[in-house]
Amino acid sequence: GAVVSQHPSWVICKSGTSVKIECRSLDFQATTMFWYRQFPKQSLMLMATSNEGSKATYEQGVEKDKFLINHASLTLSTLTVTSAHPEDSSFYICSAGFLDRGSEQYFGPGTRLTVT
Amino acid sequence: GENVEQHPSTLSVQEGDSAVIKCTYSDSASNYFPWYKQELGKRPQLIIDIRSNVGEKKDQRIAVTLNKTAKHFSLHITETQPEDSAVYFCAASKYGNKLVFGAGTILRVKS
Repeated sequence: GAVVSQHPSWVICKSGTSVKIECRSLDFQATTMFWYRQFPKQSLMLMATSNEGSKATYEQGVEKDKFLINHASLTLSTLTVTSAHPEDSSFYICSAGFLDRGSEQYFGPGTRLTVT
Repeated sequence: GENVEQHPSTLSVQEGDSAVIKCTYSDSASNYFPWYKQELGKRPQLIIDIRSNVGEKKDQRIAVTLNKTAKHFSLHITETQPEDSAVYFCAASKYGNKLVFGAGTILRVKS
């Protein structure tokens, strides 16, 4: 149980275009989904927390107009990187959790974004 | 907010030896402390976790200890094997809240 999927697993896009990444909880309903970014040889940095049906809460320094998060259902959250630039190239990982299990989070496999 | 420090940043051990990774946290209200193993290009995998009402937890070759007074917790891996080589992250959280990760430890097990 507690399987989280992400799509696509990797994507290459041109500078200035937008990219959408999907995160799905496959066998459970997630009250909360988290989006992380991980640069090479660095730790996971939380970008935002999203709860189904409400606006995402962004971490300090993360541009909410650049990284659009939509959490339309209890099984799907999307992250759209708008007007992508080479410095946005990174490994994006989502996770899903539910409050009745405290702080446990279940991670997706990640999406490797390369902006050329 | 919560701050988690992790040491060492790299650790090399001989196969069969033990490995210990330590983390400290700043928020005394944190009550959930997971450890993740991440292989290159893959998702973090939960290997063990501990809650603040417990001082120690063990699962085969892996154990975690928690000292709430000192606000630190440690990962212990015994009888290390080459497949234990990976990056290990500690994290801390308050109930239902976000996880704050440590910087990670690169563990190399030499055969």
